[in-house]
Amino acid sequence: EPEVTQTPSHQVTQMGQEVILRCVPISNHLYFYWYRQILGQKVEFLVSFYNNEISEKSEIFDDQFSVERPDGSNFTLKIRSTKLEDSAMYFCASRLRGSGANVLTFGAGSRLTVL
Amino acid sequence: GENVEQHPSTLSVQEGDSAVIKCTYSDSASNYFPWYKQELGKRPQLIIDIRSNVGEKKDQRIAVTLNKTAKHFSLHITETQPEDSAVYFCAASVADKLIFGTGTRLQVFP
Repeated sequence: EPEVTQTPSHQVTQMGQEVILRCVPISNHLYFYWYRQILGQKVEFLVSFYNNEISEKSEIFDDQFSVERPDGSNFTLKIRSTKLEDSAMYFCASRLRGSGANVLTFGAGSRLTVL
Repeated sequence: GENVEQHPSTLSVQEGDSAVIKCTYSDSASNYFPWYKQELGKRPQLIIDIRSNVGEKKDQRIAVTLNKTAKHFSLHITETQPEDSAVYFCAASVADKLIFGTGTRLQVFP
């Protein structure tokens, strides 16, 4: 069964450092997402991406965050200057276009720890 | 924007009993309502979903009901088993995103 793959599985960084989280969505999917989940809390929407541009973003997705699809397969989330409160599990997700299009497939997540 | 509320936050049942988790949403434009199961340290896994043109859907021991007028939907698990123990999240889809509820930690005791 096709999977969304994410790397790294866990990253520890110092506050103020830049972090890039990588995702390889399912190959025929057209919509890509980043969600985050702070430990013990709900899954929160960060950003959606379609046709090489951001289609929607949440209040959490401020100027410190950016996304891109540099090579047609990878989908990356960059945090420019990490803060302690950025510590969370970051999930990438993707979906098809069409009548079943709402069905998201999540990756296994990248756990970010900011010290 | 859309707000999804979920109750209860924790639920403990005896094996074989039923479990019911309820969610309400605020945006009447929401048209898709999935339920995810998340085991500790794992990704959310879709277990069942329902669209706004359907009132009820069942898949073996799991069922979901939707009341569009009242803007609430519920997950029903019958004949619970210890392996059903996990955190369950409801979600509502509006525009291009899913908005999740706060989660219900279900514990099934043997």
